[in-house]
Amino acid sequence: AQSVTQLDSHVSVSEGTPVLLRCNYSSSYSPSLFWYVQHPNKGLQLLLKYTSAATLVKGINGFEAEFKKSETSFHLTKPSAHMSDAAEYFCVVSDLAGGFKTIFGAGTRLFVKA
Amino acid sequence: KAGVTQTPRYLIKTRGQQVTLSCSPISGHRSVSWYQQTPGQGLQFLFEYFSETQRNKGNFPGRFSGRQFSNSRSEMNVSTLELGDSALYLCASSLEAGQSGYGGYTFGSGTRLTVV
Repeated sequence: AQSVTQLDSHVSVSEGTPVLLRCNYSSSYSPSLFWYVQHPNKGLQLLLKYTSAATLVKGINGFEAEFKKSETSFHLTKPSAHMSDAAEYFCVVSDLAGGFKTIFGAGTRLFVKA
Repeated sequence: KAGVTQTPRYLIKTRGQQVTLSCSPISGHRSVSWYQQTPGQGLQFLFEYFSETQRNKGNFPGRFSGRQFSNSRSEMNVSTLELGDSALYLCASSLEAGQSGYGGYTFGSGTRLTVV
């Protein structure tokens, strides 16, 4: 069965330090994986996507994620956090199981301290 | 190009009333999906429409319904509103059929529904 687990509900970092948001997934098929960001009272914005091409995916605003099949992980990273990165981040898996389903993770709220 | 437009942005309704929310997808996108977002349940899939046909449906009661028009604009309707229907309702458009496909979604800013 398809599933996605975001390992941390909250992550707090200082401005200028690295960001790591962890995501593990389960999929019976070759999945597509996505990260979305949601700022307060806004919709979700696509940060980056993996669709079976390069395993290291670069997204917007300096974020990147690496698809590791052996570890079933798709962690999101950024070398240096900015105050504007404070938001909620969702890891998403999409595959053909049961007729092309998309599953959202529960979200990780990122706090950035000055 | 214009993004996904959802109207209205905010709504306050009374229990027992019904409500209609509207979503205009990105030009050229034919798939529209609806999600309910609440603090307790997170993002939950409501349904997806493609070419005016409902393609997928989540586990919501029949009070939740939707439709899509020939110009790909979509509406969702909730009848006999309950307090628990208070949520942010998000519309997402995508090029392909199937939930988000391989290209991912473009989301609207949502409609914040409060039921009192």
